[in-house]
Amino acid sequence: GAVVSQHPSWVICKSGTSVKIECRSLDFQATTMFWYRQFPKQSLMLMATSNEGSKATYEQGVEKDKFLINHASLTLSTLTVTSAHPEDSSFYICSARDRGPTDTQYFGPGTRLTVL
Amino acid sequence: AQSVTQPDIHITVSEGASLELRCNYSYGATPYLFWYVQSPGQGLQLLLKYFSGDTLVQGIKGFEAEFKRSQSSFNLRKPSVHWSDAAEYFCAVGADKLIFGTGTRLQVFP
Repeated sequence: GAVVSQHPSWVICKSGTSVKIECRSLDFQATTMFWYRQFPKQSLMLMATSNEGSKATYEQGVEKDKFLINHASLTLSTLTVTSAHPEDSSFYICSARDRGPTDTQYFGPGTRLTVL
Repeated sequence: AQSVTQPDIHITVSEGASLELRCNYSYGATPYLFWYVQSPGQGLQLLLKYFSGDTLVQGIKGFEAEFKRSQSSFNLRKPSVHWSDAAEYFCAVGADKLIFGTGTRLQVFP
């Protein structure tokens, strides 16, 4: 199947700093990528839909200025957590939609963010 | 409202036993339905999906799921569980945006 990568796989940062997470579709082009957040032992919650060449669409309750999303190319979307605080600590997972014959979302391996 | 319910938070089975994980959904249109598996600290791997056609869907790792419109269900089954199947299983519905259930943690005893 198609492969989606995330970088870094884990990151520890100080409160008040910003952290950028990359999501790449390795063997297909993705006009649409999604960013999810997962708390321990809970389900995935969609944060935003990232569209190549346009602004991201955020879900209700997600701060746009806090979680900056950029989808600059058909294979790369980035999520920047700005002025991170301990409550932003979580597991962030991206997915990319392959609109080819499979028409399926493929998920990255996730990024564990810990804010001290 | 669109939603997915996985009634079983935690299931324990013996290796070699059969398995059924329940999933019920509420969706306005004809649903696209998915089952994903997540190992600890990992992303999600697609097991199988239903878009249309045959209501019994075959997936990877010996899993299958049956779409029952009358019951709004999409239960996941496996005839004989292996220890390596221990993981978290998520049912999801949606076309573009996916709505996930709360997950079922599967534990397998030797």
